[in-house]
Order: sequence, then C-alpha cells, then structure tokens
Amino acid sequence: EPEVTQTPSHQVTQMGQEVILRCVPISNHLYFYWYRQILGQKVEFLVSFYNNEISEKSEIFDDQFSVERPDGSNFTLKIRSTKLEDSAMYFCASCTGNTEAFFGQGTRLTVV
Amino acid sequence: AQTVTQSQPEMSVQEAETVTLSCTYDTSENNYYLFWYKQPPSRQMILVIRQEAYKQQNATENRFSVNFQKAAKSFSLKISDSQLGDTAMYFCAFMKPDQTGANNLFFGTGTRLTVIP
Repeated sequence: EPEVTQTPSHQVTQMGQEVILRCVPISNHLYFYWYRQILGQKVEFLVSFYNNEISEKSEIFDDQFSVERPDGSNFTLKIRSTKLEDSAMYFCASCTGNTEAFFGQGTRLTVV
Repeated sequence: AQTVTQSQPEMSVQEAETVTLSCTYDTSENNYYLFWYKQPPSRQMILVIRQEAYKQQNATENRFSVNFQKAAKSFSLKISDSQLGDTAMYFCAFMKPDQTGANNLFFGTGTRLTVIP
C-alpha cells in the first residue's frame, strides 16, 4: 500500500541552526501539506503546495520557513534559524484533492 | 473558514464497552468530507473512517461507525467492543474538495481516549 514517508523520525538541533525535514508523498498525489503539532496540542496547518508553488500558508509559516519540491518526488520543509518554540511534531501529508489526506509518520523536532 | 469542534478533551471506556466521541463542524459548503483520525502514542496520524457528505448512509469500518447528521453538522464516532489498542488521541477533521491547492483540511482539538482494562 502506498504511503507517505518522512525522514528523519527525530531531529535534535541547536537553536539558530537550519533544519530540513524531508517527505516523499504518494506518487500520484498532487497536493502536499505540512502540519505541525506541539506536544499535546492541536494539529496546526503550516502550508499547502500545488503545481510547484505554495497555494496557501498560515501565520505560523513566516520568513523562517520555506518549502521545496526539488526533484518531483521529495517535498521538503526548511526552517532557517530554529527557535525553541519550533519544537514540535511535523507532519507531511498528500492527497489527490478529492480524498482523504495521507499522513507520514511525522518528524519530531527538538530544538535545544 | 471551516471550524471543527470536539467538546470532549478526554474520555475513558472499559475494555469491551462502547464509547461515542462527538464532533461538530461549521461550514457553508454542501459537498465535503469528514474524517476521524487516530493518533496513538507513536504519534502517527492514522485514518479511522471517512464520510462523504453526499452519502446519507453512515460509514462503518469494523468496530468503528459514525453518526452523521448533516443538518445538525454533527459527526460522532462510535467505537464498539473497545480494545486496549484503541487508546489514542482521536481527531475529527473536515475537508472540502479544492482544486486550487488551498488548505482544505481542518482539524478539531482532539479527544484523548483511554481504554481501561
């Protein structure tokens, strides 16, 4: 069964460092998303990506964040200068646009 | 914007019993999808069940079923014969079909379910 895969499963980084979270969406999906979940809290939308460009982003997705689909398969989220409050679980998701979103297993980001 | 409300932050149920998790939503859309996602301690988001708004029949998946009341904008999840492995956070989610790539998936705040042996 096709699935969304995310790497790494856990990333520890020092405050101020850049991190790149990687995702491989399901191959025939066209819509890609990043969500984050601070421990014990709700799932928050960060950004959606379609047709090789950002289609919508939330207030959380400020200039420190960027996304790329560099090679037609990977979908990355970059945080340029991490802050302590960026510590969270980051989920990548993809869908066809008319079905449920399929989620990756998440990347736990810890900023120290 | 769509909103999804889960009014039960925590619930518990005895093993083998039945429990119902509630969810309400607000939308002006007529065509949409509703989902329940399960998030176990591993924190992966797992789809439990989906419901298309145009279908009157309530969706069922083995021990999981929904009570979809479109007019009331209510979408509750019933878990029958609860098992220890059902212990997890459950998120209700709303999605509207969108061809522009805009965010179309909205989550409730979740209900933490504990199955007691």
